[in-house]
Amino acid sequence: ETGVTQSPTHLIKTRGQQVTLRCSSQSGHNTVSWYQQALGQGPQFIFQYYREEENGRGNFPPRFSGLQFPNYSSELNVNALELDDSALYLCASSRLGFQVNTEAFFGQGTRLTVV
Amino acid sequence: AQSVTQLGSHVSVSEGALVLLRCNYSSSVPPYLFWYVQYPNQGLQLLLKYTSAATLVKGINGFEAEFKKSETSFHLTKPSAHMSDAAEYFCAVSVSGANNLFFGTGTRLTVIP
Repeated sequence: ETGVTQSPTHLIKTRGQQVTLRCSSQSGHNTVSWYQQALGQGPQFIFQYYREEENGRGNFPPRFSGLQFPNYSSELNVNALELDDSALYLCASSRLGFQVNTEAFFGQGTRLTVV
Repeated sequence: AQSVTQLGSHVSVSEGALVLLRCNYSSSVPPYLFWYVQYPNQGLQLLLKYTSAATLVKGINGFEAEFKKSETSFHLTKPSAHMSDAAEYFCAVSVSGANNLFFGTGTRLTVIP
């Protein structure tokens, strides 16, 4: 058990709506990364937050945004939902420091369905 | 830029047979390489990782992988498949440790009793 928890586990939204997904990182971790996994595909990197600042972003439009809180938990917000946003959204928790981090622990994911 | 190619979207093996899942990577700098397993309706679990130390990496559940720079490969093997190994397996590459992972499209392993 990794200690990374995501909520909710399942969500159904209508096209054009907005959604917020939540992630609690593992104790001692200061970094959260978000990934989108479409059906039958590998996860794709959305962005990473380190100490409440965005610290890298993949090829996703600005309507995908995030937040990290002082306790290192994080939110992923998606505005103007499109049908193609239907996917499993994964959160990964890790610790950035002076040494290269080689451990990332994933949560169970949130399954988002846009109808 | 980095990328990963996983050859074979589906692999079937008999219980007790050798498991071989193929992964080739592309990276302009020395990479970090990972294998993750995903069970149905679950997140990703790290099986093993290559971090420029030993080229033969041993992971959990009896899996291992060998980094071959000349072949740009990082194939995953297990000598004897177990029914519980049935899952989706993802190879991933990064140039910055476990941050900003680039995943392959996955290989679904079926184990036949």
